Amino acid sequence: NAGVTQTPKFRVLKTGQSMTLLCAQDMNHEYMYWYRQDPGMGLRLIHYSVGEGTTAKGEVPDGYNVSRLKKQNFLLGLESAAPSQTSVYFCASSYSAGRGFGYEQYFGPGTRLTVT
Amino acid sequence: GESVGLHLPTLSVQEGDNSIINCAYSNSASDYFIWYKQESGKGPQFIIDIRSNMDKRQGQRVTVLLNKTVKHLSLQIAATQPGDSAVYFCAETIQTGANNLFFGTGTRLTVIP
Repeated sequence: NAGVTQTPKFRVLKTGQSMTLLCAQDMNHEYMYWYRQDPGMGLRLIHYSVGEGTTAKGEVPDGYNVSRLKKQNFLLGLESAAPSQTSVYFCASSYSAGRGFGYEQYFGPGTRLTVT
Repeated sequence: GESVGLHLPTLSVQEGDNSIINCAYSNSASDYFIWYKQESGKGPQFIIDIRSNMDKRQGQRVTVLLNKTVKHLSLQIAATQPGDSAVYFCAETIQTGANNLFFGTGTRLTVIP
């Protein structure tokens, strides 16, 4: 059971280039999330998905797109990278909403992206 | 809007002492709170959670206290060890919809051997 995995671990892009970050989970979670973490700050939600084929905007969605074609995968795309998108990106997953315990989000190891 | 903040951005404790990390939240509708630990270069790791109908919940060496009157959350770590050195985040959510978490900026805990 690998949990949540992310590829790549590191990437350097030039301004205007595009790339896709891949997140995969093997826990059969319904919900998946993409966050960014800037130095000295907490995590901010970019986009999320409550199920295969569905996506929704989070707190900071501009400049990013996502797709959830398979339940276990959640892709984050940058169509035209900007230096302001330099950050560490984390993917997370959780069981579907409910009341009680056991609905915490499980996080991947992160992707460090630098845009020059 | 929702906001989650921390009173102390850094905390240094002696090995073996108890640590207390505090967090304030502003959304009185939040009903589920989570503490995460993040070590350098890694993703956040779940520590403990608590629901709004509880005041206290205990885990292994950790206790979370919730004071809804003043919208305050704290994480207590007993007998702090060097391996506890990390950044600790509190997060809040309302357990309907997509379980979106709102994170504070974090507190860096340093354990002095």
